[in-house]
Amino acid sequence: EVHLLESGGNLVQPGGSLRLSCAASGFTFSTYAMSWVRQAPGKGLEWVSAISDSGYSTYYADSVKGRFTISRDNSNNTLYLQMNSLRADDTAVYYCAKDSLLRYFDWSLDYWGQGTLVTVSS
Amino acid sequence: QSALTQPASVSGSPGQSITISCTGTSSDVGAYKYVSWYQQHPGKAPKLMIYDVTDRPSGVSNRFSGSKSGNTASLTISGLQAEDEADYYCSSFAGGRMVFGTGTKVSVL
Repeated sequence: EVHLLESGGNLVQPGGSLRLSCAASGFTFSTYAMSWVRQAPGKGLEWVSAISDSGYSTYYADSVKGRFTISRDNSNNTLYLQMNSLRADDTAVYYCAKDSLLRYFDWSLDYWGQGTLVTVSS
Repeated sequence: QSALTQPASVSGSPGQSITISCTGTSSDVGAYKYVSWYQQHPGKAPKLMIYDVTDRPSGVSNRFSGSKSGNTASLTISGLQAEDEADYYCSSFAGGRMVFGTGTKVSVL
């Protein structure tokens, strides 16, 4: 059974940094692209970033480009999101999600974690 | 990066069919087959319902179907059931990024 477990969410001051982790199990992690998607309180879904199965290719939303870095450790089945220069509008539940297509991007996310809350406030 | 446009709410009675639209542009919905639909119940993670415009993941009811015409994709729920009451989001590949729709709240009357 596929399982994704996010961690690392916390209260952080504006301008601060945070690293989110997503531990994956139940599938061959190294053969699937992964994404981070966030949802501000009471708002809709916003795609944040994606990474290829190898980690070679990465993609970012304009709203986080230059501030966030996605990475993965295929030997430990873990996805990361390093978040720097955090702003109040980064406050959201952050989900990690698995792409549905083996070895390539289909840009459809078939398994999601339960999310981790990031609050940016002074 | 504008979100795809969805109606804020759609409602129907049990057993009826409803359709949710998702309007984008020739740079996203109109350009690629990578349109998906997600269902989200309150406090829960989203669930993939449709991918590649028309395909259903294993385990998703065949009451859910997807289509696309030009820059607009649609999700149809037939035989509406109480458990279908949820928020629904479309998404599309948009050339090096992914974009979600604004979301639609489906109410079962």
